[in-house]
Amino acid sequence: KQEVTQIPAALSVPEGENLVLNCSFTDSAIYNLQWFRQDPGKGLTSLLLIQSSQREQTSGRLNASLDKSSGRSTLYIAASQPGDSATYLCAVVYSGGYQKVTFGTGTKLQVIP
Amino acid sequence: DGGITQSPKYLFRKEGQNVTLSCEQNLNHDAMYWYRQDPGQGLRLIYYSQIVNDFQKGDIAEGYSVSREKKESFPLTVTSAQKNPTAFYLCASSIGWAGTQYFGPGTRLLVL
Repeated sequence: KQEVTQIPAALSVPEGENLVLNCSFTDSAIYNLQWFRQDPGKGLTSLLLIQSSQREQTSGRLNASLDKSSGRSTLYIAASQPGDSATYLCAVVYSGGYQKVTFGTGTKLQVIP
Repeated sequence: DGGITQSPKYLFRKEGQNVTLSCEQNLNHDAMYWYRQDPGQGLRLIYYSQIVNDFQKGDIAEGYSVSREKKESFPLTVTSAQKNPTAFYLCASSIGWAGTQYFGPGTRLLVL
């Protein structure tokens, strides 16, 4: 069974700090990996999608990397701001069809002013 | 504005009652999904649909049913057979089966 793990479950940092969120997956036969942001009581907002053939994707202060051989993806947030406070989830689409979309449990980030 | 809408925002279910959650999208996406989110757990896939008049069970389909009669709409019915329905339900859509997923705002279902 494919598993997607996000550690730590919660993270608190001072404003302005650069930080890294981790996503680990057990099966390297992935099609793509997507990072989402979720605010309390809201739906998910897509941040970045990395295809299996890519090593990284960037959007503004966000950079996501993918290392299939080690089963890891990282989301790098530069110069964190209080507005970045949210839960960040990764989702892995495995080669083989829709039913193999697996979400991690998320990392809850708090950026302290 | 293109997007996904879900209604209602909150839904209360009585014992033995079937309830239906609405999901509509105007993004012209072929694929649509229903997820359930419980505290401390990741999203779990209930049902998905790749195209009109076709849908497949996800990991936790028991006690749920769906229909896909129109491209824009993918309603989810929580039947009385679902014994633990209290959760946050999220609908999503994507252009293709592995494309970027766009989510609606969610429906919180509570049992009276």
